[in-house]
Amino acid sequence: LAKTTQPISMDSYEGQEVNITCSHNNIATNDYITWYQQFPSQGPRFIIQGYKTKVTNEVASLFIPADRKSSTLSLPRVSLSDTAVYYCLVGDWAGGYNKLIFGAGTRLAVHP
Amino acid sequence: SAVISQKPSRDICQRGTSLTIQCQVDSQVTMMFWYRQQPGQSLTLIATANQGSEATYESGFVIDKFPISRPNLTFSTLTVSNMSPEDSSIYLCSVGTSGSNNEQFFGPGTRLTVL
Repeated sequence: LAKTTQPISMDSYEGQEVNITCSHNNIATNDYITWYQQFPSQGPRFIIQGYKTKVTNEVASLFIPADRKSSTLSLPRVSLSDTAVYYCLVGDWAGGYNKLIFGAGTRLAVHP
Repeated sequence: SAVISQKPSRDICQRGTSLTIQCQVDSQVTMMFWYRQQPGQSLTLIATANQGSEATYESGFVIDKFPISRPNLTFSTLTVSNMSPEDSSIYLCSVGTSGSNNEQFFGPGTRLTVL
């Protein structure tokens, strides 16, 4: 499984756009990039997944350059409730059946 | 999607005892996973549990310490045996689905404190 590197922590303010970048230099051809969010005292929650270019859903956007060696999770207009840990994971797509290997994650703090 | 419940939600145990954590899913699922999350840390996968077969353990985790049962497609248990304070953690189960993403659904976790 490809190793991922993310910033340990980030700070932002309400209403700002937050971009969290993840490095995955050893990503394999069959690997997908998946992001999870974890609030305190809860299990992680799936946010978004992509393979290349751009993916957008109601929560976030995921930007993946052509070489796929990095990816950026973009959270538009964050609020206090977006304070959480965000994990970037890289691995073979298997419809949820693959084991997930979590890295250290990025601890995002949103301030008033 | 899948809704997962865990019991107990938290417990305080004495050194040397064992605790069994239950994970119940509201639908039949093929794959179930058990994770450990120590305070302020990321999640570490303990094992993968498939119904009808032995669990597959990750490096650093052994069946004698963390026996797992998977009697049917909606239920699993993880036992933390002969506990020490180092076992104090949050234990989470998750399930994989046949959806179009690498999406897994996590239970709320069991917060274990060993004295």
